[in-house]
Amino acid sequence: EPGLTQSPVTLSLSPGEGATLSCRASQSVSTYFAWYQQKPGQAPRLLIHGASIRATGIPDRFGGSGSGTDFTLTISRLEPEDSAVYYCQQYARSRTFGQGTKLEIK
Amino acid sequence: EVQLLESGGRLVRPGGSLRLSCAASGFTFSSYAMSWVRQTPDKGLEWVSGLTGSGNSIDYAASVKGRFTISRENSKETLYLQMNSLRAEDTAVYYCTRGGYSGPSTDWGQGTLVTVSS
Repeated sequence: EPGLTQSPVTLSLSPGEGATLSCRASQSVSTYFAWYQQKPGQAPRLLIHGASIRATGIPDRFGGSGSGTDFTLTISRLEPEDSAVYYCQQYARSRTFGQGTKLEIK
Repeated sequence: EVQLLESGGRLVRPGGSLRLSCAASGFTFSSYAMSWVRQTPDKGLEWVSGLTGSGNSIDYAASVKGRFTISRENSKETLYLQMNSLRAEDTAVYYCTRGGYSGPSTDWGQGTLVTVSS
């Protein structure tokens, strides 16, 4: 099953800035790919599936792109509430998650 | 509103057994695949097992195959995870999720903590 490597491990930005989070798969997963957000003490929440399709209720500040092995989550106009850990997942061959990127908004 | 409520997590000895339950509401349960995902501070998120809406197709992570059994009772809108031969490395928060079999996990419960320790 494909392994997923997320970068950076941590990211510290200011409100209003934009964030770019990356995830690389060890082999092609086409667009069988998702992004999740997890805040402290909460369960993960689906943000993006099919690599670029926003889940229900997700604001358009969140965008996903990529296919094959390289994927990007972009968050524009950062807000303090965007502070969280972001995980990528592939569901092309079995299902695996990345190790997460911690986004801090200061 | 989709709601998933897990129960059954507790402290159990190595080699012991435990059954987790997930009560679902707010959607047509039998129409959706369901899955279990676990999380630890060290290993992060790990997909454990999933099955289709009918329960006819089932899959497991290699780490639990032969020890865990997933099942569902559509009349009760409930998902189960029977865990046998538990090991210390099975210690985790276990989440019930909608979907997650051939696609993403669209909705998640709040999780139930399983601790395997002597």
